[in-house]
Amino acid sequence: DGGITQSPKYLFRKEGQNVTLSCEQNLNHDAMYWYRQDPGQGLRLIYYSQIVNDFQKGDIAEGYSVSREKKESFPLTVTSAQKNPTAFYLCASSIKGAQLAFFGQGTRLTVV
Amino acid sequence: GEDVEQSLFLSVREGDSSVINCTYTDSSSTYLYWYKQEPGAGLQLLTYIFSNMDMKQDQRLTVLLNKKDKHLSLRIADTQTGDSAIYFCAEIFSGGYNKLIFGAGTRLAVHP
Repeated sequence: DGGITQSPKYLFRKEGQNVTLSCEQNLNHDAMYWYRQDPGQGLRLIYYSQIVNDFQKGDIAEGYSVSREKKESFPLTVTSAQKNPTAFYLCASSIKGAQLAFFGQGTRLTVV
Repeated sequence: GEDVEQSLFLSVREGDSSVINCTYTDSSSTYLYWYKQEPGAGLQLLTYIFSNMDMKQDQRLTVLLNKKDKHLSLRIADTQTGDSAIYFCAEIFSGGYNKLIFGAGTRLAVHP
């Protein structure tokens, strides 16, 4: 089945640690995105990538990093520089141009 | 600028119609979307409309687009308890790289 897989579903991190969230898609989509969702709020764009080996900062990139070494993978690292990392993280992919984006099931990150 | 606005909450009786409204800013958006999010889950692409259309119907869902007023609406006929969720309006913002911009989401509560 084609789709987007995010792992893990739940993640706990100690303060000061880096953590990497996985996102894999087998839809052959060129573009991939990371969004952050906080309770009662909409989605805010962290990073996006339109093509392999290229990515752009979104609206709230500080404290995050990404890589796009393979078309199907777009991991997100939440670094210790991110002051308030507890949130629900959503990965998406689309054909180029952000058309018809499909989302994974999300990773809930909690800092303990 | 980039901004998508939605009302935050809507309550309807089971069997009635629901209408969720959205205003957007980028008049050059080629696609406009409605996504559905159930508790703890990712976003599900519900329906979309091309910017050259005024209306799209898909079973119980009707999307209306008023390009002059930059207004988008989603009508759900015969609303059921399973329709209770958060509904997000999104547009493609064309500012260099295309990216999806989301509203804050409308929480739809369906009561007996």
